[in-house]
Amino acid sequence: QKEVEQNSGPLSVPEGAIASLNCTYSDRGSQSFFWYRQYSGKSPELIMSIYSNGDKEDGRFTAQLNKASQYVSLLIRDSQPSDSATYLCVVNIGTNAGKSTFGDGTTLTVKP
Amino acid sequence: NAGVTQTPKFRILKIGQSMTLQCTQDMNHNYMYWYRQDPGMGLKLIYYSVGAGITDKGEVPNGYNVSRSTTEDFPLRLELAAPSQTSVYFCASSIAWTSGGTGDTQYFGPGTRLTVL
Repeated sequence: QKEVEQNSGPLSVPEGAIASLNCTYSDRGSQSFFWYRQYSGKSPELIMSIYSNGDKEDGRFTAQLNKASQYVSLLIRDSQPSDSATYLCVVNIGTNAGKSTFGDGTTLTVKP
Repeated sequence: NAGVTQTPKFRILKIGQSMTLQCTQDMNHNYMYWYRQDPGMGLKLIYYSVGAGITDKGEVPNGYNVSRSTTEDFPLRLELAAPSQTSVYFCASSIAWTSGGTGDTQYFGPGTRLTVL
């Protein structure tokens, strides 16, 4: 079992729809959770971070964390073609620096 | 601030050659990281550093070496390049490594695309 698993893509949604990206993790000691966006040929950039159970909203993006179910998700409302990218779920375990585990990513395409 | 810079952007090596990938950050971050990303995959940690003079292995350190003599610079050395090292290499930095705080957000450089033939 992979330490961080993301729903297999690619994911395609029409412009204006809600895109839902999911991620599960295996280590219950995980403390910090991130969603990074990576455009093709570019470096990852932070979209959202979340540290406690519940929802966290930032503009059109909402991150959801459920530590009991070991599940974190990212919702993108009113999806735009510019949201087309690969989304990486990243989990930090405990206080051990360097223990960032990346999922393989879900590629999202938003069709006009 | 330039953030995290990496050189070169592209490089082609022959099997057995060596090279150093440069990484510099101007944000005064203590923590620095080297990752590799193979096509269609997530990032895998090669080495990391928690401060000048302190480095440690990540998930895939074999075939690589690092040093950290200053806060700003964290070069990655490839010895005896092999085709399996063909990948995109990203350097990143963060303020610290705190659980539940914003200090652990990583900022990435633009990457170095390396091909070993």
